[in-house]
Amino acid sequence: GAVVSQHPSRVICKSGTSVKIECRSLDFQATTMFWYRQFPKKSLMLMATSNEGSKATYEQGVEKDKFLINHASLTLSTLTVTSAHPEDSSFYICSARPGLAGDMGLGEQYFGPGTRLTVT
Amino acid sequence: LAKTTQPISMDSYEGQEVNITCSHNNIATNDYITWYQQFPSQGPRFIIQGYKTKVTNEVASLFIPADRKSSTLSLPRVSLSDTAVYYCLVGANNDMRFGAGTRLTVKP
Repeated sequence: GAVVSQHPSRVICKSGTSVKIECRSLDFQATTMFWYRQFPKKSLMLMATSNEGSKATYEQGVEKDKFLINHASLTLSTLTVTSAHPEDSSFYICSARPGLAGDMGLGEQYFGPGTRLTVT
Repeated sequence: LAKTTQPISMDSYEGQEVNITCSHNNIATNDYITWYQQFPSQGPRFIIQGYKTKVTNEVASLFIPADRKSSTLSLPRVSLSDTAVYYCLVGANNDMRFGAGTRLTVKP
């Protein structure tokens, strides 16, 4: 149980275009989903926290107009990188936290396999 | 938010027990301690979570002293496939952020 999927796993796009990444919780409902980015040999950096039906909370320094997050249902969150540039090339990872705190362990998150974005 | 400090890297050999310690001096009363494992180009995988004392599951043990200012992840009898980065996270609900992690290399 507790599987999170991401689509696509890898995407190459041209500079100036937009890219949408999907994150789905396959066998549980996730009231909260998280988006991270990771550069080579670096740790994961939290970009934003999204709660179903409400606006995402962005971390300091993350442009909300560039990284659009939509958490339209309890099993799906999307991250759209708008007007992508080469410096946006990174490994994007989502995670989901099931239900309410305590359902499957307080604070426990389940991570997707990641999406490798390359902007040329 | 409780900041965590871990060794940057560790080496071990197959069959040995590996203990990775994480310091979190500013841990709050509501914070849990969670460990994740990450292989290259994959999302992190949950290993174990605890609040105090000792927690054990089928893959690891987590030791937390009474003051909760540190924790130790214990991996029994590691194999080559345990080579990965291990992250210690401290927090509650949505307040969990990744530190630098420990790169464990298991040698034959």
